[in-house]
Amino acid sequence: AQTVTQSQPEMSVQEAETVTLSCTYDTSESDYYLFWYKQPPSRQMILVIRQEAYKQQNATENRFSVNFQKAAKSFSLKISDSQLGDAAMYFCAYRSNYNNNDMRFGAGTRLTVKP
Amino acid sequence: EAGVAQSPRYKIIEKRQSVAFWCNPISGHATLYWYQQILGQGPKLLIQFQNNGVVDDSQLPKDRFSAERLKGVDSTLKIQPAKLEDSAVYLCASSLNPQGREKLFFGSGTQLSVL
Repeated sequence: AQTVTQSQPEMSVQEAETVTLSCTYDTSESDYYLFWYKQPPSRQMILVIRQEAYKQQNATENRFSVNFQKAAKSFSLKISDSQLGDAAMYFCAYRSNYNNNDMRFGAGTRLTVKP
Repeated sequence: EAGVAQSPRYKIIEKRQSVAFWCNPISGHATLYWYQQILGQGPKLLIQFQNNGVVDDSQLPKDRFSAERLKGVDSTLKIQPAKLEDSAVYLCASSLNPQGREKLFFGSGTQLSVL
């Protein structure tokens, strides 16, 4: 079964600085997708960024980018120019493109942004 | 567009009581998911619907949990009887289809406390 591991329960960053959140996953499949979701105190999970496994180019969305290392099964999220509104729980998720493709989430990383 | 609606937002019950949660997905989304998020963990899939049919309920504790999606739109998740370990946030999500690359849209969840 696929598993997702986030080894950093908590991280903090100074406003305007850069922070990287780590994620590793375990799978024997070749066709899958990886996601980073943000969960603020409102509890609503919001998609931050998505990466297709067959694409070598790292996905970017404004201040958010990923470092996708397929061979190492690593998928880290970099947040540049951190803002107070970035403070939240961040979840890494894996989803197979085959049948029974439920989205598997890591345990999350709580990000604190210091003014 | 309107998001995924869930109610109630909070619910407190005593063990052995029953409870029901309601979800209205984004219009046109054929796939609906119920997730359980225990404090300090990532969401875990309970059940996935495609229109009004069940695609995956392998992690649903069927002796006490039930879910339905009549007419392929709204869905309800019921727990009867509740146990202390059912205390969690119950998240509903929807997507256009069940393909792996599809973005999931989440509601704000129902926080259940079982005393």
